[in-house]
Amino acid sequence: QVQLVESGGGVVQPGRSLRLSCAASGFTFSKYGMNWVRQAPGKGLEWVSIISYDGSNKYYGDSVKGRFTISRDNSKNTVYLQMNSLRAEDTAVYYCAKDRGYSYVCDYWGQGTVVTVSS
Amino acid sequence: EIVMTQSPATLSVSPGERATLSCRASQSVSSNLAWYQQKPGQAPRLLIYGTSTRATGIPARFSGSGSGTEFSLTISSLQSEDFAVYYCQHYSNWPTFGQGTKVEIK
Repeated sequence: QVQLVESGGGVVQPGRSLRLSCAASGFTFSKYGMNWVRQAPGKGLEWVSIISYDGSNKYYGDSVKGRFTISRDNSKNTVYLQMNSLRAEDTAVYYCAKDRGYSYVCDYWGQGTVVTVSS
Repeated sequence: EIVMTQSPATLSVSPGERATLSCRASQSVSSNLAWYQQKPGQAPRLLIYGTSTRATGIPARFSGSGSGTEFSLTISSLQSEDFAVYYCQHYSNWPTFGQGTKVEIK
């Protein structure tokens, strides 16, 4: 069955960096787009980024554009989110989610990893 | 950015009753509309995409309808496991979610 396992979250000071990873299994990873979606404490869902199946196309939400970078390693079945210049408002649970294709429809989600930006 | 507005914010329903959740888009999203269910401490789960197509393993009591700017999710007979928060999401361009409707036990 499809499994997505995020890692790399933690507590970080404002202005610092963090890299999240998401290890995928149970499907042909190299055929699907992958997404990062976040949820601030007690709040709703916000799309962060999407990457195409081969990594050639990447898109970002306005709130993270220029600070976050999505990438993938199809040989390791892993997608990454490099987060730089972190701000307090980036504090959230970050979910990795498999796309149905490359459509922004997420049919499987990981359990999430918590990122807290605080001094 | 397309703004998605869900109503009501909270819906109190008795088990076995029908629940209808609404979602409105600030401009047309065609049929590019999905619904997710989220329970406390869990990741969201895809219920519906393409306005009305149930995702794999989703029971038939969940149905979606609408087009353009007005959409709805109907749960025909609420089961105990259906009490949760429901989000709509458009994907006609950069995706955005509604703020959620909490379905609680009456």
